Amino acid sequence: QVHLVESGGGVVQPGTSLRLSCAASGFSFRDYGMHWVRQAPDKGLDWLGVIWHDGTNEFYAESVKGRFTISRDNPKNRLYLQMDSLRVDDTGIYYCATDPKPYSGYDSPGGGWGQGTVVIVSS
Amino acid sequence: QSVLTQPPSASGTPGQRVTISCSGNNSNIGGNYVSWYQKVPGTAPKLLIYRNNQRPSGVPDRFSGSKFGTSASLAISGLRSEDEADYYCASWDEILNGVVFGGGTKLTVL
Repeated sequence: QVHLVESGGGVVQPGTSLRLSCAASGFSFRDYGMHWVRQAPDKGLDWLGVIWHDGTNEFYAESVKGRFTISRDNPKNRLYLQMDSLRVDDTGIYYCATDPKPYSGYDSPGGGWGQGTVVIVSS
Repeated sequence: QSVLTQPPSASGTPGQRVTISCSGNNSNIGGNYVSWYQKVPGTAPKLLIYRNNQRPSGVPDRFSGSKFGTSASLAISGLRSEDEADYYCASWDEILNGVVFGGGTKLTVL
């Protein structure tokens, strides 16, 4: 049973940094690529990036490339999203999600999602 | 403007069959898998279909997915009131080197 819990959200000012964490349990975390997806208020789903199961590859959406960094600690079953130079339009609910299958590679998020953590960027 | 194009809204009556379309191009849908998600306000997205037409365990067989060329469809048969939600398609895009989502379709059960 996949269980993902995001944490680290909050209210921050534009230009500052925030680090989100995603604690994973109930599955073999080290075998799955992991995604970050967000939803801004009254907007659709917005993919942010993915890190492969072994951390050897990361891909990012253009909107966050160079500002956001995804990392993982497989022994600790943890996924991270380091967000720098935050902007007002980064406001939203941030979700971590698994790949659909082990060692998926180039694929959309799968069936495991956390409940989300709220990030508000406001002056 | 989303890379994948979905109709903004769809509707149906209980028991009906509805389909939601998702249009892309050869760099995304044409060469990669399509997934479908259900999003109810206040809850996490739920995977309905992955790899074009595969249903995760626990998803009713009322939900089905198909792909033809650079387009995909989600079909919901035996429509129920609890199906009222937003539905999103997604696919890997080889040019953007990332996942692209459709803009979402709001399904209303009349």
